[in-house]
Amino acid sequence: AQTVTQSQPEMSVQEAETVTLSCTYDTSENNYYLFWYKQPPSRQMILVIRQEAYKQQNATENRFSVNFQKAAKSFSLKISDSQLGDTAMYFCAFMWVQGAQKLVFGQGTRLTINP
Amino acid sequence: DAGITQSPRHKVTETGTPVTLRCHQTENHRYMYWYRQDPGHGLRLIHYSYGVKDTDKGEVSDGYSVSRSKTEDFLLTLESATSSQTSVYFCAISERTSRAPFAFFGQGTRLTVV
Repeated sequence: AQTVTQSQPEMSVQEAETVTLSCTYDTSENNYYLFWYKQPPSRQMILVIRQEAYKQQNATENRFSVNFQKAAKSFSLKISDSQLGDTAMYFCAFMWVQGAQKLVFGQGTRLTINP
Repeated sequence: DAGITQSPRHKVTETGTPVTLRCHQTENHRYMYWYRQDPGHGLRLIHYSYGVKDTDKGEVSDGYSVSRSKTEDFLLTLESATSSQTSVYFCAISERTSRAPFAFFGQGTRLTVV
């Protein structure tokens, strides 16, 4: 069974700083995707970034980038030039592409951006 | 939001009563899921569906049942609600494209069992 671990329950940084959220996972599969979701106080789950396990190049989406270390089973999220609107819960998630595409989530990291 | 609507958005119910949550999608996606969100646990899969009348259990299925009689609707039923089922419930859809799979979520339902 796949497991996802986020070891930082809470983080806090100043606006404009760079912050990195950690995620590790455990799987015996080779073909999978990894995701970061953002959940602001509105409760909506918003896809931030997605990484395919077969791609060595790290995914980037504007200020958001990942450091994907497949051998170490690590998938960290870096937020550059953090903004007040980045304040949210962040969830790391794993999806095995075979079968029913179920997501396995980490416990979440509550990120606060301070003015 | 990929055309996903959950109803109700909030519900308070008494222990022992049946409760049904509805998830409706407008884009004909094959896969639908019900997750629950609890502090310290992230989101955990309750049940999922891979087609009309095709459903299967997830990680935390005890006390829950589901039905999918139409592609667009996926119902989650708590036959006899307990306080441990107080949670936020999310419906999600998934599809596999030629580029990559994706998953989108509904707005969530906050259920309180008193």
